[in-house]
Amino acid sequence: TQLLEQSPQFLSIQEGENLTVYCNSSSVFSSLQWYRQEPGEGPVLLVTVVTGGEVKKLKRLTFQFGDARKDSSLHITAAQTGDTGLYLCAVRIGGKLIFGQGTELSVKP
Amino acid sequence: EAGVAQSPRYKIIEKRQSVAFWCNPISGHATLYWYQQILGQGPKLLIQFQNNGVVDDSQLPKDRFSAERLKGVDSTLKIQPAKLEDSAVYLCASSFSHQETQYFGPGTRLLVL
Repeated sequence: TQLLEQSPQFLSIQEGENLTVYCNSSSVFSSLQWYRQEPGEGPVLLVTVVTGGEVKKLKRLTFQFGDARKDSSLHITAAQTGDTGLYLCAVRIGGKLIFGQGTELSVKP
Repeated sequence: EAGVAQSPRYKIIEKRQSVAFWCNPISGHATLYWYQQILGQGPKLLIQFQNNGVVDDSQLPKDRFSAERLKGVDSTLKIQPAKLEDSAVYLCASSFSHQETQYFGPGTRLLVL
């Protein structure tokens, strides 16, 4: 059983559409991170959320940490082809980063 | 500032052969990590170094995998002998300290036939 369950696993949309991906767990975390991994590259940190209910924005990306700090969502407004990639959530457990399995996003022109 | 460098970028080997991957972290980063990312999954930590000492190798299959960071800078990860299930991307990451942001290299894509 995965500590972090991400959904959907795959998402294919047209440029200009909006989307939301989710990262869920039954455990409580002190913080949660989101990464984007482009094809052929390593993951890059996008944001860290710390406070329950916290909302952070990064241009067209909006990240929210659940009130109970068990889940998080990533919303992309007006997706662009450059948003294509694998979106990973991760938490620190005992100094170690634990990743979800990721959401593979494909944005078509 | 140069990022994390890894080589080779791609490797194809037969099962039971050996293979080695190299990583050069960002200058000044004391902590170095090796992750295995199987297709369709997130990265899984194999081993973490603090300078040239091992901090965590609980997920490293020690019967076939080994890693070293002799001078506390660059590192090598070796698999001997390789199995089909070792086909994956091997990512190296580094951070200034163990609680700081991790920066990932581009990875080495290994295919075991």
